[in-house]
Amino acid sequence: DIVMTQSPDSLAVSLGERATINCKSSQSILYSANNKNFLAWYQQKPGQPPKVLIYWASTRESGVPDRFTASGSGTDFTLTISSLQAEDVAVYYCQQYYSSPSTFGQGTKLEIK
Amino acid sequence: EVQLLESGGGSVQPGGSLRLSCAASGFTFSIYTMSWVRQAPGKGLEWVAGITGSDNAAYYVDSVKGRFTISRDNSQNTLYLEMNSLRLEDTAVYYCAKDGTPLVGIEWFDYWGQGTLVTVSS
Repeated sequence: DIVMTQSPDSLAVSLGERATINCKSSQSILYSANNKNFLAWYQQKPGQPPKVLIYWASTRESGVPDRFTASGSGTDFTLTISSLQAEDVAVYYCQQYYSSPSTFGQGTKLEIK
Repeated sequence: EVQLLESGGGSVQPGGSLRLSCAASGFTFSIYTMSWVRQAPGKGLEWVAGITGSDNAAYYVDSVKGRFTISRDNSQNTLYLEMNSLRLEDTAVYYCAKDGTPLVGIEWFDYWGQGTLVTVSS
């Protein structure tokens, strides 16, 4: 199974500042045939199901604010929130869907400093 | 509007069984792979099982193989998870989740239900 490891486990950032979350896969999740990275990012607020933010490693889901951007390829990926808003407080997860079983990172808890 | 509504959760003793259902609406259910994803209390997300829309191919995480069965009824737009030989570690909120693109295998999930809680306790 592909192991997804996020860092840090928790993060406190001031309002308006940048937040960066990292995700590393135990093997490459780049499919050479279509040059796509099989990675998604989710946001989960307390008491709610997860919400997809990003798929194909860098494609923003419709309706997601453009302060959320993501990058990376192969085994190393990053989710960046350019200017933290109060409503961004949540746990963030990465997910690989390159191979079965699909696996998630352990989550990164983002709080306001 | 896409809606996924899970039901069937509850409390059960170790070794018991439960059947979860997920009623889907607002999209062409038959062409999308559907999955069950669970979240133990205070823990992270774990994909449990998925089933394709076209040929009903089923996939499972190793920890539930032989105990859980995922199925679907495309005529009723409903996804199921039959859970047998339940263990304490199966305690979790179980979410029904829809794939982001049609006619492919398990990918990212663009819609999730609100979840149904399964508690395995003696």
